[in-house]
Amino acid sequence: DAMVIQNPRYQVTQFGKPVTLSCSQTLNHNVMYWYQQKSSQAPKLLFHYYDKDFNNEADTPDNFQSRRPNTSFCFLDIRSPGLGDAAMYLCATSRDRGSETQYFGPGTRLLVL
Amino acid sequence: AQSVTQLDSQVPVFEEAPVELRCNYSSSVSVYLFWYVQYPNQGLQLLLKYLSGSTLVKGINGFEAEFNKSQTSFHLRKPSVHISDTAEYFCAVSDLGSGTYKYIFGTGTRLKVLA
Repeated sequence: DAMVIQNPRYQVTQFGKPVTLSCSQTLNHNVMYWYQQKSSQAPKLLFHYYDKDFNNEADTPDNFQSRRPNTSFCFLDIRSPGLGDAAMYLCATSRDRGSETQYFGPGTRLLVL
Repeated sequence: AQSVTQLDSQVPVFEEAPVELRCNYSSSVSVYLFWYVQYPNQGLQLLLKYLSGSTLVKGINGFEAEFNKSQTSFHLRKPSVHISDTAEYFCAVSDLGSGTYKYIFGTGTRLKVLA
Protein backbone atom coordinates (compact mmCIF):
# COMPACT_ATOMS: atom_id res chain seq x y z
CA ASP A 1 0.00 0.00 0.00
CA ALA A 2 1.31 3.40 -0.95
CA MET A 3 2.37 5.41 2.09
CA VAL A 4 3.56 8.64 0.48
CA ILE A 5 1.63 9.58 -2.62
CA GLN A 6 2.52 12.30 -5.06
CA ASN A 7 0.29 13.70 -7.75
CA PRO A 8 0.70 14.11 -10.56
CA ARG A 9 3.66 11.92 -11.47
CA TYR A 10 4.43 14.11 -14.45
CA GLN A 11 3.56 17.79 -14.78
CA VAL A 12 4.09 20.04 -17.75
CA THR A 13 3.74 23.78 -17.30
CA GLN A 14 4.57 26.90 -19.21
CA PHE A 15 7.25 29.37 -18.32
CA GLY A 16 5.82 31.71 -15.67
CA LYS A 17 2.57 29.79 -15.17
CA PRO A 18 1.95 28.86 -11.52
CA VAL A 19 1.93 25.18 -10.73
CA THR A 20 1.06 23.15 -7.64
CA LEU A 21 2.39 19.73 -6.77
CA SER A 22 0.62 17.56 -4.24
CA CYS A 23 1.80 15.12 -1.60
CA SER A 24 -0.24 13.02 0.79
CA GLN A 25 0.73 10.47 3.41
CA THR A 26 -1.03 7.68 5.27
CA LEU A 27 1.66 7.32 7.94
CA ASN A 28 0.40 10.08 10.24
CA HIS A 29 3.93 11.44 10.41
CA ASN A 30 4.68 14.80 11.96
CA VAL A 31 7.25 15.95 9.44
CA MET A 32 6.87 16.43 5.71
CA TYR A 33 9.71 17.49 3.42
CA TRP A 34 10.03 18.77 -0.13
CA TYR A 35 13.19 18.10 -2.10
CA GLN A 36 14.24 19.22 -5.55
CA GLN A 37 16.36 16.78 -7.53
CA LYS A 38 17.91 17.80 -10.82
CA SER A 39 19.30 15.30 -13.26
CA SER A 40 22.21 13.25 -11.90
CA GLN A 41 22.30 15.26 -8.67
CA ALA A 42 21.52 14.57 -5.05
CA PRO A 43 18.15 15.63 -3.68
CA LYS A 44 18.23 19.17 -2.30
CA LEU A 45 15.98 20.07 0.62
CA LEU A 46 13.72 23.04 -0.10
CA PHE A 47 11.73 23.18 3.16
CA HIS A 48 9.91 21.06 5.66
CA TYR A 49 6.96 21.19 8.00
CA TYR A 50 7.14 19.96 11.55
CA ASP A 51 3.45 19.68 12.26
CA LYS A 52 2.27 23.18 11.30
CA ASP A 53 5.66 24.79 11.80
CA PHE A 54 7.16 25.76 8.44
CA ASN A 55 10.94 25.67 8.05
CA ASN A 56 12.48 27.15 4.94
CA GLU A 57 16.02 26.43 3.80
CA ALA A 58 18.12 29.57 3.54
CA ASP A 59 18.85 29.11 -0.15
CA THR A 60 15.35 28.17 -1.28
CA PRO A 61 14.14 30.77 -3.80
CA ASP A 62 11.09 32.86 -2.90
CA ASN A 63 9.44 31.43 -6.00
CA PHE A 64 8.84 28.24 -4.03
CA GLN A 65 6.11 28.14 -1.40
CA SER A 66 4.43 25.39 0.55
CA ARG A 67 1.17 24.73 2.34
CA ARG A 68 0.17 22.04 4.79
CA PRO A 69 -3.57 22.28 5.44
CA ASN A 70 -3.61 19.14 7.60
CA THR A 71 -1.40 16.29 8.75
CA SER A 72 -1.93 14.24 5.62
CA PHE A 73 -1.41 16.75 2.86
CA CYS A 74 1.36 19.07 1.78
CA PHE A 75 1.57 21.18 -1.36
CA LEU A 76 4.46 22.72 -3.24
CA ASP A 77 3.59 25.90 -5.12
CA ILE A 78 5.90 27.32 -7.74
CA ARG A 79 4.66 30.82 -8.39
CA SER A 80 6.49 31.58 -11.64
CA PRO A 81 8.33 28.53 -12.94
CA GLY A 82 11.47 29.14 -14.90
CA LEU A 83 13.32 26.75 -17.16
CA GLY A 84 15.76 26.10 -14.33
CA ASP A 85 12.97 24.74 -12.14
CA ALA A 86 12.53 21.68 -14.31
CA ALA A 87 13.38 18.80 -12.02
CA MET A 88 12.05 15.87 -10.05
CA TYR A 89 10.28 17.01 -6.89
CA LEU A 90 10.32 14.53 -4.05
CA CYS A 91 8.10 14.55 -1.01
CA ALA A 92 9.20 12.70 2.10
CA THR A 93 7.88 12.17 5.61
CA SER A 94 9.33 11.20 8.94
CA ARG A 95 7.73 10.45 12.28
CA ASP A 96 9.78 13.10 13.97
CA ARG A 97 12.85 15.22 13.48
CA GLY A 98 16.44 14.18 13.98
CA SER A 99 17.36 10.62 13.33
CA GLU A 100 14.08 9.35 12.04
CA THR A 101 14.01 7.53 8.75
CA GLN A 102 12.53 9.48 5.89
CA TYR A 103 10.00 7.82 3.61
CA PHE A 104 9.88 9.11 0.07
CA GLY A 105 7.12 9.34 -2.44
CA PRO A 106 7.61 8.41 -6.11
CA GLY A 107 8.23 12.01 -7.11
CA THR A 108 6.72 14.43 -9.61
CA ARG A 109 8.75 15.24 -12.68
CA LEU A 110 8.17 18.83 -13.70
CA LEU A 111 8.80 20.01 -17.22
CA VAL A 112 8.76 23.74 -17.98
CA LEU A 113 8.18 24.78 -21.58
CA ALA B 1 29.94 21.05 8.62
CA GLN B 2 28.75 17.67 7.55
CA SER B 3 29.49 16.29 4.13
CA VAL B 4 29.03 12.99 2.35
CA THR B 5 31.34 11.78 -0.39
CA GLN B 6 30.51 9.05 -2.82
CA LEU B 7 33.74 8.62 -4.69
CA ASP B 8 32.39 6.66 -7.64
CA SER B 9 29.85 8.35 -9.85
CA GLN B 10 29.38 5.22 -11.94
CA VAL B 11 30.12 1.57 -11.25
CA PRO B 12 29.71 -1.03 -14.00
CA VAL B 13 29.72 -4.64 -12.88
CA PHE B 14 28.82 -7.94 -14.46
CA GLU B 15 25.81 -9.88 -13.29
CA GLU B 16 26.50 -12.24 -10.37
CA ALA B 17 29.73 -10.41 -9.51
CA PRO B 18 30.19 -8.72 -6.12
CA VAL B 19 29.99 -4.95 -5.79
CA GLU B 20 30.99 -2.32 -3.27
CA LEU B 21 29.74 1.25 -3.40
CA ARG B 22 31.79 3.60 -1.29
CA CYS B 23 30.56 6.30 1.06
CA ASN B 24 32.61 8.49 3.35
CA TYR B 25 31.30 11.22 5.59
CA SER B 26 32.67 13.99 7.71
CA SER B 27 31.08 15.00 10.97
CA SER B 28 32.34 16.05 14.34
CA VAL B 29 29.57 14.26 16.18
CA SER B 30 27.72 10.98 16.08
CA VAL B 31 25.68 10.34 13.01
CA TYR B 32 23.02 8.11 11.64
CA LEU B 33 23.75 6.68 8.21
CA PHE B 34 21.46 5.59 5.41
CA TRP B 35 21.59 4.07 1.96
CA TYR B 36 18.76 4.71 -0.45
CA VAL B 37 18.17 3.30 -3.94
CA GLN B 38 16.46 5.19 -6.72
CA TYR B 39 15.18 3.42 -9.83
CA PRO B 40 14.62 5.51 -12.97
CA ASN B 41 11.82 8.06 -12.57
CA GLN B 42 11.00 6.87 -9.08
CA GLY B 43 11.44 8.12 -5.54
CA LEU B 44 14.04 6.97 -3.05
CA GLN B 45 13.63 3.65 -1.30
CA LEU B 46 15.43 2.87 1.94
CA LEU B 47 17.90 0.00 1.59
CA LEU B 48 19.33 0.02 5.10
CA LYS B 49 20.30 2.27 7.95
CA TYR B 50 22.78 2.41 10.80
CA LEU B 51 21.57 3.95 14.03
CA SER B 52 23.60 2.13 16.68
CA GLY B 53 24.74 -1.32 17.74
CA SER B 54 26.28 -3.81 15.35
CA THR B 55 28.40 -2.12 12.75
CA LEU B 56 27.32 -4.59 10.06
CA VAL B 57 23.87 -3.73 8.85
CA LYS B 58 21.79 -5.92 6.59
CA GLY B 59 19.17 -4.45 4.32
CA ILE B 60 16.73 -5.39 1.64
CA ASN B 61 17.54 -7.08 -1.66
CA GLY B 62 20.65 -8.78 -0.25
CA PHE B 63 22.56 -5.55 0.44
CA GLU B 64 24.63 -4.92 3.54
CA ALA B 65 26.82 -2.10 4.78
CA GLU B 66 29.49 -1.74 7.40
CA PHE B 67 29.91 1.30 9.59
CA ASN B 68 33.55 2.10 10.26
CA LYS B 69 33.86 4.95 12.70
CA SER B 70 37.65 5.28 12.51
CA GLN B 71 37.53 5.59 8.73
CA THR B 72 34.25 7.50 8.74
CA SER B 73 32.93 5.17 6.09
CA PHE B 74 29.70 3.34 5.39
CA HIS B 75 30.32 1.25 2.27
CA LEU B 76 27.50 -0.70 0.67
CA ARG B 77 28.10 -4.25 -0.55
CA LYS B 78 26.33 -7.05 -2.29
CA PRO B 79 27.99 -10.43 -2.92
CA SER B 80 26.19 -11.14 -6.18
CA VAL B 81 24.35 -8.50 -8.19
CA HIS B 82 21.40 -8.91 -10.50
CA ILE B 83 20.35 -6.97 -13.56
CA SER B 84 17.49 -5.54 -11.51
CA ASP B 85 19.99 -3.85 -9.17
CA THR B 86 20.76 -1.32 -11.89
CA ALA B 87 19.86 1.99 -10.25
CA GLU B 88 21.22 5.10 -8.53
CA TYR B 89 22.37 4.64 -4.95
CA PHE B 90 22.53 7.50 -2.46
CA CYS B 91 24.30 7.58 0.86
CA ALA B 92 22.94 10.01 3.45
CA VAL B 93 23.90 11.13 6.94
CA SER B 94 21.78 12.65 9.67
CA ASP B 95 23.66 14.54 12.37
CA LEU B 96 22.67 13.76 15.95
CA GLY B 97 24.57 16.41 17.78
CA SER B 98 23.59 19.66 16.14
CA GLY B 99 19.88 19.30 16.71
CA THR B 100 19.27 19.46 13.02
CA TYR B 101 16.86 17.25 11.21
CA LYS B 102 18.41 17.21 7.80
CA TYR B 103 19.70 14.47 5.64
CA ILE B 104 22.89 15.34 3.83
CA PHE B 105 23.00 13.29 0.67
CA GLY B 106 25.99 12.21 -1.33
CA THR B 107 25.97 12.86 -5.05
CA GLY B 108 25.01 9.28 -5.84
CA THR B 109 26.57 6.28 -7.53
CA ARG B 110 25.02 4.88 -10.66
CA LEU B 111 25.27 1.10 -10.60
CA LYS B 112 25.07 -0.52 -14.00
CA VAL B 113 24.80 -4.32 -14.00
CA LEU B 114 25.88 -5.89 -17.26
CA ALA B 115 24.65 -9.21 -18.62
